[in-house]
Amino acid sequence: DTEVTQTPKHLVMGMTNKKSLKCEQHMGHRAMYWYKQKAKKPPELMFVYSYEKLSINESVPSRFSPECPNSSLLNLHLHALQPEDSALYLCASSQDLTQPQHFGDGTRLSIL
Amino acid sequence: EDQVTQSPEALRLQEGESSSLNCSYTVSGLRGLFWYRQDPGKGPEFLFTLYSAGEEKEKERLKATLTKKESFLHITAPKPEDSATYLCAVQAWNTGFQKLVFGTGTRLLVSP
Repeated sequence: DTEVTQTPKHLVMGMTNKKSLKCEQHMGHRAMYWYKQKAKKPPELMFVYSYEKLSINESVPSRFSPECPNSSLLNLHLHALQPEDSALYLCASSQDLTQPQHFGDGTRLSIL
Repeated sequence: EDQVTQSPEALRLQEGESSSLNCSYTVSGLRGLFWYRQDPGKGPEFLFTLYSAGEEKEKERLKATLTKKESFLHITAPKPEDSATYLCAVQAWNTGFQKLVFGTGTRLLVSP
């Protein structure tokens, strides 16, 4: 079992809904990441937090809004998503920005 | 621009038939090269980090090696449970520690 926990595992939402994805780790890691992965493609970086501060935003549309309330928790708030946003959303964490990243099992998101 | 190319795209082996997966990279200053294993519907699982040419790491039936232009993941006497997609990723000094640039992966299927 992975030490990075993501909830929910599956999410189906309409284009006008607001929902949030949650990621939690208790390994004392100070860097956390959001990735998007489409079928048969590698993960694409979306956001990076280091010591609870946003370090990288890879030109992600504003309908995705990240939040890092504390060093163990990372949220991704979703609003007015498009069908092309359907994908597996992966969270990862690492001790710091130089160390290997450890991934959760993702949230499978479907936009109707 | 940093690039990572993995070959082959797919590989089918018989149980016990050893082989190698290739990861070629072009980066402006390699900080680290990472190997991950990803099972369907799961997040990538960290396997190895390699930092300098000549370095080797081993874990069970897997051995990763690194040169100045490429990395190999050698699989010795594979078993069906080794079936997965193997992803290679690089971290470059010029793009910052945060960013992992992934290859498109090699899908490995090991038949009994």
